[in-house]
Amino acid sequence: KNQVEQSPQSLIILEGKNCTLQCNYTVSPFSNLRWYKQDTGRGPVSLTIMTFSENTKSNGRYTATLDADTKQSSLHITASQLSDSASYICVVSAGDMRFGAGTRLTVKP
Amino acid sequence: DAGVIQSPRHEVTEMGQEVTLRCKPISGHNSLFWYRQTMMRGLELLIYFNNNVPIDDSGMPEDRFSAKMPNASFSTLKIQPSEPRDSAVYFCASSLEGLYNEQFFGPGTRLTVL
Repeated sequence: KNQVEQSPQSLIILEGKNCTLQCNYTVSPFSNLRWYKQDTGRGPVSLTIMTFSENTKSNGRYTATLDADTKQSSLHITASQLSDSASYICVVSAGDMRFGAGTRLTVKP
Repeated sequence: DAGVIQSPRHEVTEMGQEVTLRCKPISGHNSLFWYRQTMMRGLELLIYFNNNVPIDDSGMPEDRFSAKMPNASFSTLKIQPSEPRDSAVYFCASSLEGLYNEQFFGPGTRLTVL
């Protein structure tokens, strides 16, 4: 069983709308949690990195939150744009790296 | 900076052939990572180097896979002999130092083994 679970698997929203992606993990001990954006045909690009002591971190229209007690993280995208269409991958570091399967986001005009 | 450079971008080969993938990390980065990505298994870390020394190769699937880093600016991932199930996109990434710092990914090599 994957120790990093992402939901939903895929999501379609209209341009301009907000959305929230979820990442639940069972990995322990925990060093940091990262969110990556991966455009089709390209390598992943780091959006945020959070340690266990951080609750929130923003990068432009992307805001990641972390609840280390419940082992949950979310990535909130505000005022979505067509260029936000991509896969979003959650990665938890705990001695090694554990990858979520990703959420495929499609933003439609 | 040109970022992480990988070559070739695409490779099509026949089963049993040797395949060599190449990576040039970002200048000044001390850590280099090789990943494999497939639809079925997602992104997997194969091996990573720190200061040219392999630190963790537990993700390397079989003895058919080997990786080297002869100097700070070059690494190779070799598959010999290749099999159809090795078909995937292989990414190289680098970071300033270690597993926990931000990693910068290359564009990947799409490998198809027929």
